[in-house]
Amino acid sequence: EVQLVESGGGLVQPGGSLRLSCAASGFTFSTYWMSWVRQAPGKGLEWVANIKQDGSEKYYVDSVRGRFTVSRDNAKNSLFLQMNGLRAEDTAIYYCARSFGYCINGCYSVVFALDVWGQGTTVTVSS
Amino acid sequence: DIQMTQSPSSLSASVGDRVTFACRASHSISTYLNWYQQKPGKAPKLLIYGASSLLSGVPSRFSGSGSGTDFTLTISSVQPEDFASYYCQQSHTTPRTFGQGTRLEIK
Repeated sequence: EVQLVESGGGLVQPGGSLRLSCAASGFTFSTYWMSWVRQAPGKGLEWVANIKQDGSEKYYVDSVRGRFTVSRDNAKNSLFLQMNGLRAEDTAIYYCARSFGYCINGCYSVVFALDVWGQGTTVTVSS
Repeated sequence: DIQMTQSPSSLSASVGDRVTFACRASHSISTYLNWYQQKPGKAPKLLIYGASSLLSGVPSRFSGSGSGTDFTLTISSVQPEDFASYYCQQSHTTPRTFGQGTRLEIK
């Protein structure tokens, strides 16, 4: 069964750090881009970051760039999100998700979509 | 960054109704547009990719259309299990922004 399981969430004070993990199983982890998406309480989805298969490319939303670092360990089928300098506005459920490239237009184009999601881990930033 | 705007923010419907959700991109994204469904307390699920391609296993009452900046998700006949929130997401450019969502409620 294809599965993603996040862990590492919790309560942290403003300015603190937290490291989230995502354990992948049931698919060849090393062949997929992976992403982090978050959802603040009662709010919509916000894409946070993604990382290429070999870790050579990483992208972030502006609000976390310089504070968060995405990484992966393909030998351990694991994705990570190191979060430093946490702020109240980082309070959210954090989901890891697999990014799958789908062929469209006779495979003239490839569109990436988040086809497998974990159950999420909750991060609360509060004093 | 590309901004994604969904309308309406909420929609009331009865079982059997045909409903349409709109999503607009601030810049042209061709057909690099995905739709997700999220039920309360659950992770989102991919429904449609590439603006109009239905993910395997998703009921055929769901359909998507559009290109460039304007997109729609249609449910031809709403079923009880369809009451949820729906989000569009562009995958043309990083950051891969989401719309703010449309909540489908029971009338």
